[in-house]
Amino acid sequence: EAGVAQSPRYKIIEKRQSVAFWCNPISGHATLYWYQQILGQGPKLLIQFQNNGVVDDSQLPKDRFSAERLKGVDSTLKIQPAKLEDSAVYLCASSPYPASSYEQYFGPGTRLTVT
Amino acid sequence: GIQVEQSPPDLILQEGANSTLRCNFSDSVNNLQWFHQNPWGQLINLFYIPSGTKQNGRLSATTVATERYSLLYISSSQTTDSGVYFCAPGAGSYQLTFGKGTKLSVIP
Repeated sequence: EAGVAQSPRYKIIEKRQSVAFWCNPISGHATLYWYQQILGQGPKLLIQFQNNGVVDDSQLPKDRFSAERLKGVDSTLKIQPAKLEDSAVYLCASSPYPASSYEQYFGPGTRLTVT
Repeated sequence: GIQVEQSPPDLILQEGANSTLRCNFSDSVNNLQWFHQNPWGQLINLFYIPSGTKQNGRLSATTVATERYSLLYISSSQTTDSGVYFCAPGAGSYQLTFGKGTKLSVIP
């Protein structure tokens, strides 16, 4: 079974530019999460989708971040315009919930550097 | 939200030694996972353990939900066990809240 796929793996942009990250969850997983992990800290949830609906985006900085999950499969996270403090690893995770287990599985992440 | 405290923050072990990592959390949970983040940043699932005890090879975990803590045991540590270990309990919509992690270094 293929794992969670993310691209790109690395991205370097200048502040005020825009960037987009892509995630393809494990096949059949209804729930998809985006996390932000700043160096030295644990991942922090940004947004949770179930199928193509948003369950929780309370921690998403909506003035600059947006996310969508078209057709309940792939998802895209966008930052526009980027700030220096957005430098982090962006992790995508998926879960078979609510069909079965609540266990989350993570992709390899996208490391963003904003200069 | 849930507060998560992991201890110790840093741990250095000689290869072959055993260790216990602890995770305390502030509220009732219906989900808890342990992860190993390797030096390349990949989060690897170790255990899904909202309660009870599980074992997988040299690793085992115990969660006592009523007392709001979980333990991860590593026996006969190897250099490949190095990395950061995260505890992540969850409640409500089955979201996970991550602790700050325990950084483990296993030296030969």
